Order: sequence, then C-alpha cells, then structure tokens
Amino acid sequence: DAGVTQSPTHLIKTRGQQVTLRCSPKSGHDTVSWYQQALGQGPQFIFQYYEEEERQRGNFPDRFSGHQFPNYSSELNVNALLLGDSALYLCASSSGTGRNKQYFGPGTRLTVT
Amino acid sequence: AQKVTQAQTEISVVEKEDVTLDCVYETRDTTYYLFWYKQPPSGELVFLIRRNSFDEQNEISGRYSWNFQKSTSSFNFTITASQVVDSAVYFCALSGVIKAAGNKLTFGGGTRVLVKP
Repeated sequence: DAGVTQSPTHLIKTRGQQVTLRCSPKSGHDTVSWYQQALGQGPQFIFQYYEEEERQRGNFPDRFSGHQFPNYSSELNVNALLLGDSALYLCASSSGTGRNKQYFGPGTRLTVT
Repeated sequence: AQKVTQAQTEISVVEKEDVTLDCVYETRDTTYYLFWYKQPPSGELVFLIRRNSFDEQNEISGRYSWNFQKSTSSFNFTITASQVVDSAVYFCALSGVIKAAGNKLTFGGGTRVLVKP
C-alpha cells in the first residue's frame, strides 16, 4: 500500500521564479492538504483540496495556488518566489469521516536563492 | 483562533530515562481533536495518536503514553525508557471538526528530543 508521495525531493529556484510541487495521496484518500514548514518551526497550513475544490485556506498570499486532479493528486504552485518561501513543503492526505487524520509525505525541500 | 504551545524547544536525555513533552492548546471549539506527530531527520511526519476532546482517558501504547487534561488544556506525551531511535522532533497539533470538509491541523513549534546512548 503506497503512502503519500511527493516530487521533487529537492528544488533550487531563484527569486521571482515560479515553482510547481506535486503530491499523490495515499491509496483510497480523496483529500489533500499542503503545509509549509520553515526551518526550526512547526508546519503551517496552506490550503486543502477535496473534490477538486479548495475547501480551506490558511494565511498565505495569492502567490500560493493549487489544484486537485480527478485522480485526487494535487499540485502546489508558488509564483514570484521570495527568499522567505524557502522551506519544506509537506503534503498530507486523508479521507472520509477520518479526514482530520492526515498522513504526510516526505516533503519537498525548496530553496530560493 | 486555535493555538498550540510547546514550551520545551529541546530536551536531552540519556538512554532509558523517561521524557515528558508538554503541550498546551487554545481553542473556542467545544469539539476538537488533538494529535502528536514524530518527525525524524528524514523529514516525514509520522502519526502517533489522535484524541477526541470528549475522551479524556489516558492512553498507553508500548513505551508511549499520553495524558489529556481538558481542565488545563494540556495533552502531554511521555516516552518511557527512551531509546536512541526516539531522537526526533515531536509536534503536538490541534484540529476542529467541520463535517463538510476536512480540517486543518494547527501545529505547535515542536520539541526536539535527543536521546544519548
């Protein structure tokens, strides 16, 4: 049973560029949440997708956007990258009535130079 | 607004010692869930436990135990007879309950546990 997978593992971008991160949920899960974890801090909720719609959003600017596909996989897009966007981006999946029990992927380490 | 505070930033113990991680939370919700996650150096968050706000029974799972006290808004985690493999960052998290959709997790700042042989 495959768990949550994320790609790429690491990414280096320059300020002002755009980046797309990808996530495949655990088998049987239909909800994907994205979190940003800066070094030495706890994860911060970005947004959550269910039935291909953004259901909840944290306190992040519009530069952060996402998408969920019919197969439940998801993308996180960040435009106009800032140095402060450097972080570990974690994807979590969940399903059904246990939707708040979230299973996390290994994350994508984004470095903005 | 929800808030989770983990006052201990780092705890260092010698193998076989017990270690207790503190977690204090704030929420206006009457129903909520509390969680503990472990983050080893690999970076992936590993689910340890979920507790419903209506269930105040303490729980034990192997060397892990959790003490939930609603009166003091605390959900503390104890590792008994610690092992080197327990070295990681541990996060306490809180979520509300929204039937129409999933729920975001609000995390504390984490406590780094270092177990020395």
